[in-house]
Formats: sequence, C-alpha cells, structure tokens
Amino acid sequence: EVQLVESGGGLVQPGRSLRLSCTASGFTFDDYVMYWVRQVPGKGLEWVSGISPKSGSIGYADSVKGRFTISRDNAKKILYLQMNSLSGEDTALYYCAKDMKGGSASYYGMDVWGQGTTVTVSS
Amino acid sequence: NFMLTQPHSVSEFPGKTVTISCTGSSGSIASNYVQWYQQRPGSAPTVVIYDDTHRPSGVPNRFSGSIDSSSNSASLTISGLRTEDEADYYCQSYDDVNHGLVFGGGTKLTVL
Repeated sequence: EVQLVESGGGLVQPGRSLRLSCTASGFTFDDYVMYWVRQVPGKGLEWVSGISPKSGSIGYADSVKGRFTISRDNAKKILYLQMNSLSGEDTALYYCAKDMKGGSASYYGMDVWGQGTTVTVSS
Repeated sequence: NFMLTQPHSVSEFPGKTVTISCTGSSGSIASNYVQWYQQRPGSAPTVVIYDDTHRPSGVPNRFSGSIDSSSNSASLTISGLRTEDEADYYCQSYDDVNHGLVFGGGTKLTVL
C-alpha cells in the first residue's frame, strides 16, 4: 500500500524553527517528485515546495522562499521540510504528497497525500 | 503571478449535473495539465481528474474534465449528483513563470 506519514508538527514560537518529516512506503520513492502543501483550517490548499527525485530541481512558493528548505533522503525514503523564521501566517496543516508521474523531474500534480501534520505558530 | 480562479460555491440537487470552472489569469491554460481534487471535511484531498480529462481508477465516470481555450478555463463536471459528492473541489496546474504548482481557491459543492 502506498503511504505517506508526516511528523514533526507542533506548537512553536514566532521566529523559531521546526523540521517536518514525511516517511514514504509502498512505492519507489526515488522515482518521484515530492511536495509539501499546506492548508490553513477552513481555507484552501497552498503549494509550498517541491523537489525532484535526485534533488536537482527544487521550487518554493514566494511566501516561504528564503525561510523554508525542502530536502529528501532517498535511502531512508524520507522527505523533509526545514522551516525557519516562522510566523503566525505559517500556522497550517502541512501535507506531504507524491507526484503522479514517475521517472520525471517535472511537476505535474499529486496522486497520494499523507494525512498531514499541524504546525501552530504562537507565543 | 499565475492564478487559478474558481467560484466560491455551487449547489445543485441530487441527480442533476453541476460544472465547476477554473480560469487561468494569464497565458494559456492548455499549455500545462490541470488536475482536480476532491476534499471532504477532515480528509486529505484525492485526485478525481488528472491531465485535464483523465479519471484515475476508482473515480466514477460521473466525473469528467475539459479545457476551453477560448475562455482560458478548465471545467469539472459531475453528473448524476449524489450526496457523497458534497465536498470542496480544487483545480491545480503549473506556473511556468514561478516554476511551481498553483491551486485554485477551491469551490464548495453543496448537494441540496
């Protein structure tokens, strides 16, 4: 069964850092682009970042550029999101998602999503 | 920045057909594939249409997607509406300028 399990969320003070992890199973992890998507409760989906299979192509939304860093460990099948200089606007449910097309470094869309991990930024 | 605009909400009766639009702000919406996601309350999104018009296995053929280049829009059509179709629907595509993905703002479908 293809599965993505996020972890690392929690309550953090403004200005501090947090690292999210996403553990993958049931598919050839290093064949796929992976993403982070977030959702403020009651609001829409926001693409945060994407990373190609060999980490050669990385992209960020303008809202997180310079503060967040996406990375992956293909041997461990784990996707990461390092979040620095957090603010209240980063409070959201963070989803890890898998691209629907394997063997490509291009971004298409998501066919598998985790259940998300909640990040709350508050003093 | 490239944006995708959806109606905030739509509603229709069971058994009827509803269409949700997704309009690109610039460029040609046909130049990159559009996906549609369904999100029920408390659940992660699931894809119902990919590559503009294709249905993943397990998605009923009541769901269909299309592209209209003249209006620079994509559409999701759901026929034979069921109460279980009540959910939020999001379109998504690729932004050539910012080299990232973009979602529409989402449409809340109410089955009356």
